[in-house]
Amino acid sequence: GAGVSQTPSNKVTEKGKYVELRCDPISGHTALYWYRQSLGQGPEFLIYFQGTGAADDSGLPNDRFFAVRPEGSVSTLKIQRTERGDSAVYLCASSLSPLAGANNEQFFGPGTRLTVL
Amino acid sequence: KQEVTQIPAALSVPEGENLVLNCSFTDSAIYNLQWFRQDPGKGLTSLLLIQSSQREQTSGRLNASLDKSSGRSTLYIAASQPGDSATYLCAVTRGYQKVTFGTGTKLQVIP
Repeated sequence: GAGVSQTPSNKVTEKGKYVELRCDPISGHTALYWYRQSLGQGPEFLIYFQGTGAADDSGLPNDRFFAVRPEGSVSTLKIQRTERGDSAVYLCASSLSPLAGANNEQFFGPGTRLTVL
Repeated sequence: KQEVTQIPAALSVPEGENLVLNCSFTDSAIYNLQWFRQDPGKGLTSLLLIQSSQREQTSGRLNASLDKSSGRSTLYIAASQPGDSATYLCAVTRGYQKVTFGTGTKLQVIP
């Protein structure tokens, strides 16, 4: 597609439930990032994929959070046993790999607003 | 740990005024610095990216500068317009994966 897309745009769930958030990056972008943004704050880094592998998952807050990118394109962020504190906007970004000489300019999707009741 | 600060947190200016937004970072070992714009309820739009070896980048009415040694970047907006109203975020990258964002400057341009 022309840009990064994320689905759903909004997700409301109950505490303790499991949710999956999807990101479809720009075609050809091998690098993919997940961020979380709380109200009035800048995005907070969660995880970075280079191809299919998670090159840096140091931003994941705890083991309830997990992300996959099995074919090196679409990625899914999975949150188990959701808590009210997980409520935020989850942003996805993609970029050309700097390994290919690119400058790593990141392009963002519109985000998924997650509300945990 | 990299920390990124943006001052001011909010700014209100009359239309037509030139303005400067500031971004400072604590660790000068950066790969690049990127300025974004975020409209309410929307994702981020990339404005300018400055590589660590560069000192400035320009796009239309926007000019971004980078001083790595002092840990500072500025975003200059010339002849501001009401459509420039948004939150402006800077982000620094260490290596090519670790990205740290500032908390943003909320700009309002009054017609």
